[in-house]
Amino acid sequence: EAQVTQNPRYLITVTGKKLTVTCSQNMNHEYMSWYRQDPGLGLRQIYYSMNVEVTDKGDVPEGYKVSRKEKRNFPLILESPSPNQTSLYFCASSLKGGNEQFFGPGTRLTVL
Amino acid sequence: GNSVTQMEGPVTLSEEAFLTINCTYTATGYPSLFWYVQYPGEGLQLLLKATKADDKGSNKGFEATYRKETTSFHLEKGSVQVSDSAVYFCALKVGHPENAGNMLTFGGGTRLMVKP
Repeated sequence: EAQVTQNPRYLITVTGKKLTVTCSQNMNHEYMSWYRQDPGLGLRQIYYSMNVEVTDKGDVPEGYKVSRKEKRNFPLILESPSPNQTSLYFCASSLKGGNEQFFGPGTRLTVL
Repeated sequence: GNSVTQMEGPVTLSEEAFLTINCTYTATGYPSLFWYVQYPGEGLQLLLKATKADDKGSNKGFEATYRKETTSFHLEKGSVQVSDSAVYFCALKVGHPENAGNMLTFGGGTRLMVKP
């Protein structure tokens, strides 16, 4: 089954404790992206990757890192989480230039 | 810059009512337009799309027409069902694929609640 998976689905952590949210897709997509969803703001892009070893900032990259060492994986790293990073996070992938992005199920992060 | 504005929700309707969710956009260049749907506890799914002016996207009884003159892409359905209860996002994409052309700009989302 073609899909985008994220782990964990739920995470409660404390300020300053490094964490990683994993994202994996099995559709051989070149393009992958991370979004955060906050009430009334829709989805805002954090980082994206056009291919392996190619990443770039989206609209709200501060406080986040990403890497793309393999085509299928695109982890999101919070080196020192803060409460304003409490949000619902989505990973998405698509073919380069493709019109449809495929979204993972989301990771709800709470930073205390 | 690019932006998408949607009507604020929630929108509460009775089953079989007519639905309109307004969406207007601002974009540099000629965007492709999308509606995504998010069912409770799930990620977003593409509902329909239109890639040029006057195109009509349709799926599952939903329709939206790309109106360049009014920069709008309103979502409509003639008869909603309880199973249509979800959050609907209007989005646009501008640019060449080589230059982050896959980047989507989303509206704030509109929650639809359909009562039996």
